[in-house]
Amino acid sequence: GESVGLHLPTLSVQEGDNSIINCAYSNSASDYFIWYKQESGKGPQFIIDIRSNMDKRQGQRVTVLLNKTVKHLSLQIAATQPGDSAVYFCAENTGTYKYIFGTGTRLKVLA
Amino acid sequence: EAQVTQNPRYLITVTGKKLTVTCSQNMNHEYMSWYRQDPGLGLRQIYYSMNVEVTDKGDVPEGYKVSRKEKRNFPLILESPSPNQTSLYFCASSRTVGETDTQYFGPGTRLTVL
Repeated sequence: GESVGLHLPTLSVQEGDNSIINCAYSNSASDYFIWYKQESGKGPQFIIDIRSNMDKRQGQRVTVLLNKTVKHLSLQIAATQPGDSAVYFCAENTGTYKYIFGTGTRLKVLA
Repeated sequence: EAQVTQNPRYLITVTGKKLTVTCSQNMNHEYMSWYRQDPGLGLRQIYYSMNVEVTDKGDVPEGYKVSRKEKRNFPLILESPSPNQTSLYFCASSRTVGETDTQYFGPGTRLTVL
């Protein structure tokens, strides 16, 4: 499959445990944030997003937390499953047509 | 099925030989974008298009051209490829830009320039 990063930080989690993946964003003017999942050999896939007027948003098994004070975003995955193994990265948008992407974290789910 | 397609998926070429990577979406999306992905750098935006005949530079446009003559197609053109353009390329589209306008990504094109 495609290699998305040879030296990514890796988070190893036991199946069934919760995962927390962190992201520091760069622009204090960013007002829209997205988390993507990228499996080997595939393009990024949207997971969840959040606007800057919120500090928490929940989806199915996923929660995104936004801390604007320290420009920090986190993705929480509940009851992590083997199918969650992938590279996860955040993206920010300042309301323009440009996106800035983080470098990503590799999540490994241990059986 | 709603999707973004790219062709080719893999390409090995030599320095200076012009090439085009095609991108097509079937969702009637206004916004389309090209990214390159390199180890340790994340996705970087090359060019984007807000609608037909409207394009603009992203963060790394040097050495690339795009066109948007039709809403569904957004080809990426490398007039004179160089080895530093060896990378994994993704095309993406969204209805517009903003909240709930999810970007859908293509499967990627692995380009090697010798």
